[in-house]
Amino acid sequence: AQKVTQAQTEISVVEKEDVTLDCVYETRDTTYYLFWYKQPPSGELVFLIRRNSFDEQNEISGRYSWNFQKSTSSFNFTITASQVVDSAVYFCALENSGGYQKVTFGIGTKLQVIP
Amino acid sequence: EAQVTQNPRYLITVTGKKLTVTCSQNMNHEYMSWYRQDPGLGLRQIYYSMNVEVTDKGDVPEGYKVSRKEKRNFPLILESPSPNQTSLYFCASSSSGATYNEQFFGPGTRLTVL
Repeated sequence: AQKVTQAQTEISVVEKEDVTLDCVYETRDTTYYLFWYKQPPSGELVFLIRRNSFDEQNEISGRYSWNFQKSTSSFNFTITASQVVDSAVYFCALENSGGYQKVTFGIGTKLQVIP
Repeated sequence: EAQVTQNPRYLITVTGKKLTVTCSQNMNHEYMSWYRQDPGLGLRQIYYSMNVEVTDKGDVPEGYKVSRKEKRNFPLILESPSPNQTSLYFCASSSSGATYNEQFFGPGTRLTVL
């Protein structure tokens, strides 16, 4: 069975602070995919990143960065210089490979950025 | 415009009255999924489909049915809804193989079962 743990249920930061959202996963598969999605207060789900298990390079996209460490089964997400528009629920997800699409989401981390 | 559509967006119904939530995508995607979102539980996969006539159970399939007769449509059927199926439902689609990068989600259907 696969599992995704987002231990931080809610985080509050003051605008311009950096914040890291943790994601720890469990899977028996050697090939898998990890995702982060953002759900703003309006409710839609917005794709942020996909990473396959063979690519441990860290990724940076503007103020967002991701740190993937297979040794600790973690895929953490950092927002640098947070803004009020970053306030949302962020979900980490794990998909196993094999030609099908069983996806497991974490319970989400609610981020509140205070002006 | 590439999109996943769901209908209805909001539905209030009563226990036991059969209902169908439709999902359609215009991107020719092979994969489609249904999720429910509940406070404190995140998103949980109900069913997924790898292609026409190929479906499989996710983590919480009890009380739901799906069908995939056409590539673009993946309806979710509640034969006898119960109050514990009150939830926010999302449909998603994605391509397979080398072009796969993300799931595209529909706008969500908020269902209340009284």
